[in-house]
Formats: sequence, C-alpha cells, structure tokens
Amino acid sequence: NAGVTQTPKFRILKIGQSMTLQCTQDMNHNYMYWYRQDPGMGLKLIYYSVGAGITDKGEVPNGYNVSRSTTEDFPLRLELAAPSQTSVYFCASSHPEQGLTEAFFGQGTRLTVV
Amino acid sequence: AQSVTQLGSHVSVSEGALVLLRCNYSSSVPPYLFWYVQYPNQGLQLLLKYTSAATLVKGINGFEAEFKKSETSFHLTKPSAHMSDAAEYFCAVSGPLYNFNKFYFGSGTKLNVKP
Repeated sequence: NAGVTQTPKFRILKIGQSMTLQCTQDMNHNYMYWYRQDPGMGLKLIYYSVGAGITDKGEVPNGYNVSRSTTEDFPLRLELAAPSQTSVYFCASSHPEQGLTEAFFGQGTRLTVV
Repeated sequence: AQSVTQLGSHVSVSEGALVLLRCNYSSSVPPYLFWYVQYPNQGLQLLLKYTSAATLVKGINGFEAEFKKSETSFHLTKPSAHMSDAAEYFCAVSGPLYNFNKFYFGSGTKLNVKP
C-alpha cells in the first residue's frame, strides 16, 4: 500500500500564481485533512473532509480551497499565492469508524512563494 | 475548541538518559491523545495513541506515555535515549463525540541527543 501520497514534493511559486497540491490515499479512508506546518507553530488545520462531497473549514482556511469528488482524492487549491503561504503542507487521512482513530500523513509538499 | 500545550520547544539529553517530553491538553471530556515523531524532511509518524483504554500506553521504539486525567497530561517518556531518537515530537488531540474528526497539534518539541 502506498498510503497517503502528495505531489509535488517541492514547488516555488511567484506571488499571484495559482496551483493545486495533490493528495491521494489508497486506504479507503473517509476522513481527509490538509495541514500547514510553520516553524515553532505545530500543524494548523486548513480544511478537512468527512467523505466524498463533504468539506469544511479548519483553523486557517483563508486563501485556500478544496474539493472532494472521490474518496481517494483531496486536492488543495491556492488561487492567488502570497508569501504568507510559504509553508510545508501535509495531507492526512483517518477512518475512525474502523477504529483507525489516528491520522496517517503524507510526506509533505514544501511550498515557497516569492 | 481543544488545545494542546507542549512545554519546551527544545529538549536536550545525553545518550542513555531519560527522555521526558511534556504535553497538556484542555478538554472537558477526555479526548483521544497521540504522539507523533517527525524526522527531517519527512512526514509525521505515529508513536503511540490513547483512546480510553489503558492509561499507560506503549508505543514504538521504546516510547510510552501515561494519560493522567486529573492533570490533563499525556507526557512521553523513554528510559534510555538513543542517538536515533533525535527528531521533533508532536502531541495531538482529537475527539470526542462530534468533534473527533479534527486533530489539534501542539507546537512541537525538538529532541537533541548528545553523545
């Protein structure tokens, strides 16, 4: 099993550009999450989804959008990149209905906005 | 909202010494609690979790943590540090009831192991 796969691993964007961070999981988990990690700040929840077609905002959703058309995929969209979005982004999944209460993480996408 | 506090952003121990990383949470109802480890340029890996079973939880790599409801704490310990334990450690909380689909993380503790 590949688990949670994120692409790309690294990306440099110019201010005002847009991009989509891809996330896919092959574990059939219902719950998926996007976090951003900044030094000394831990992980902050951007958006989450409890199933296909259902998404909701987390703690820091401004400047981002998500969609969940399938169980497997949960892309994160940045429409107008800003320097404040320079961060490491992690996608995660879980499946509490099957006793999988923990989150399984991808390897992250390191994004720099210049 | 739930919150997690990790005391000490950096902890340094000698190889073979006790490791103690502190985590306190705020919740009126006992939540699910987790410790994750992150090695440089990698994702987060689960060390152990508490989900209302035994209060002393054993994890991978010799780590364990004890849930203390009266202290709202979930401190991580390892009797003898190894050089390979050098990493950043995150405490996280989720649950209960309607809110168990979100994970809240502490700000992390970087563990340095001196030879």
